[in-house]
Amino acid sequence: AQSVTQLDSQVPVFEEAPVELRCNYSSSVSVYLFWYVQYPNQGLQLLLKYLSGSTLVKGINGFEAEFNKSQTSFHLRKPSVHISDTAEYFCAVTQGDDKIIFGKGTRLHILP
Amino acid sequence: DAGVIQSPRHEVTEMGQEVTLRCKPISGHDYLFWYRQTMMRGLELLIYFNNNVPIDDSGMPEDRFSAKMPNASFSTLKIQPSEPRDSAVYFCASSFQFYGYTFGSGTRLTVV
Repeated sequence: AQSVTQLDSQVPVFEEAPVELRCNYSSSVSVYLFWYVQYPNQGLQLLLKYLSGSTLVKGINGFEAEFNKSQTSFHLRKPSVHISDTAEYFCAVTQGDDKIIFGKGTRLHILP
Repeated sequence: DAGVIQSPRHEVTEMGQEVTLRCKPISGHDYLFWYRQTMMRGLELLIYFNNNVPIDDSGMPEDRFSAKMPNASFSTLKIQPSEPRDSAVYFCASSFQFYGYTFGSGTRLTVV
């Protein structure tokens, strides 16, 4: 069965500093990968997705993620965070023929 | 596109009462998902439908929970009788195949 591991439950980072949120998945076949963001008291919003093609995927709000098949990772990065990036971030995976499996989420805390 | 529409946004009910949550998916989407989110358990998939047919209800916690999708534009999640431990935020999401879900804003259920 597929699984997604988000290694950090919480990540504190100073405003304007870079951030990386880690995600690893377990699958030996082709996968589709997603990052979702959930702002306080809101639903989940798609941040970016990898379906095929370039391994570097750019999303909304200046985020990007890199698909690394050899390391089965899909880490999310942003070069300079803003206070408005405070949210919970979910990594997710599917093989395309079944439901999406979500990670447990990483809370991003932006420090002033 | 109005997105996935859930109602009500907030529901407060007494233990033992019946609760019905509603969802209108995005037109043209063939999958619909019901999730529950709590601090303790995170995001849990309860059930999902494909073309109005329930495919996987293994996440439904017990017989008190039931879900229906009478047509492509409407689904309900019913809890009868409700219990305080059912208090959570319930999300509906829809997708075309599995290429990224669109979530509704959620229903915050409080059972007192």
